[in-house]
Amino acid sequence: DAKTTQPPSMDCAEGRAANLPCNHSTISGNEYVYWYRQIHSQGPQYIIHGLKNNETNEMASLIITEDRKSSTLILPHATLRDTAVYYCIVRVDNTGNQFYFGTGTSLTVIP
Amino acid sequence: DAGITQSPRHKVTETGTPVTLRCHQTENHRYMYWYRQDPGHGLRLIHYSYGVKDTDKGEVSDGYSVSRSKTEDFLLTLESATSSQTSVYFCAISESGGLRYFGAGTRLSVL
Repeated sequence: DAKTTQPPSMDCAEGRAANLPCNHSTISGNEYVYWYRQIHSQGPQYIIHGLKNNETNEMASLIITEDRKSSTLILPHATLRDTAVYYCIVRVDNTGNQFYFGTGTSLTVIP
Repeated sequence: DAGITQSPRHKVTETGTPVTLRCHQTENHRYMYWYRQDPGHGLRLIHYSYGVKDTDKGEVSDGYSVSRSKTEDFLLTLESATSSQTSVYFCAISESGGLRYFGAGTRLSVL
């Protein structure tokens, strides 16, 4: 199973772009990269996912390197409500639809 | 909000007693999951289901059993609760692709 590595914590100034990196150097060709976040005490929330092309939705952008060994989640204009733990997951999909979370990156948006 | 409800939201119980947590969905999604979350460990998969009566183990399944007798309900049972099972439990659902929706969580304390 491909594993991911994320920095344990990051700060970002309010209104600036938050760039959250994720390393997944053992990713295989048919595995997707998913991002979730968890605001304190709440259930995790899906943000975005991608295979090899860059993706954008109303919440964020996902940039995946050409070799697919790393990716970056971009929150274009961070707000205080974006303070959360962000999880990068590589999908394991052999016998089921299993998703394994790591400890994520704790993002603090500073006023 | 997605139709996913966990019950109870909070429970305090004693060591050795049986406990059942319920996850109920109104989205008719095929896959359902139980995770636990503890400080320093992030979210860890306990069990998941890929259809009625079809379940499989996750990474921390010891001491837990699950049942899914109908699409909308996924039950997590602690046959004999231990203090190490004190945790926050999250249910999640998906149809295909990534985990899309999580429940609000159940906070379980085993004394």
